[in-house]
Amino acid sequence: DAKTTQPPSMDCAEGRAANLPCNHSTISGNEYVYWYRQIHSQGPQYIIHGLKNNETNEMASLIITEDRKSSTLILPHATLRDTAVYYCIVSPLYLIADKLIFGTGTRLQVFP
Amino acid sequence: EADIYQTPRYLVIGTGKKITLECSQTMGHDKMYWYQQDPGMELHLIHYSYGVNSTEKGDLSSESTVSRIRTEHFPLTLESARPSHTSQYLCASSESGRANQPQHFGDGTRLSIL
Repeated sequence: DAKTTQPPSMDCAEGRAANLPCNHSTISGNEYVYWYRQIHSQGPQYIIHGLKNNETNEMASLIITEDRKSSTLILPHATLRDTAVYYCIVSPLYLIADKLIFGTGTRLQVFP
Repeated sequence: EADIYQTPRYLVIGTGKKITLECSQTMGHDKMYWYQQDPGMELHLIHYSYGVNSTEKGDLSSESTVSRIRTEHFPLTLESARPSHTSQYLCASSESGRANQPQHFGDGTRLSIL
């Protein structure tokens, strides 16, 4: 399975865009990129996923580079409630159990 | 968004007790999962299920067992709890039918074995 590399921590001012990078240089053609986040003492929350096209939903945007070796999760207007650990995960298509392998993630701190 | 519930939320119990952690989901998802997470550490998959009467071991060895008699229910059991079982246990579910459906998580059970 492809591995991901994320910075251990980032800060962002409230109201600004938070751009969280992820490297997945060994990703293969059938692997999706997923983003989850975990707020302290809660279970992980799904944010967004994509294969090669950029994706947007009500929570965030996902920008995947053309060579698919890296991606960026964008929270357009960060709030204090976005403070959490953000996980970037790659997972193969048609993997029977859709198992997710969580790394250590990026701890995002949003400050006033 | 899936509704998935775990009980109890917190449990402090003595060594040697039999423990069952409950997980239920109301979305009719076929796939369910149990993860274990120590504080500040990564999540590790310990059990998963494709559907009723299906259970598989995950990537991390665990002394726990699971059952899947009903679609909505996926309990995890420790026959004889030990301090090494102290951890947070997270349950998740996802749709089948289409690949790569996101997993939806409960808020976890934080287990402390004395």
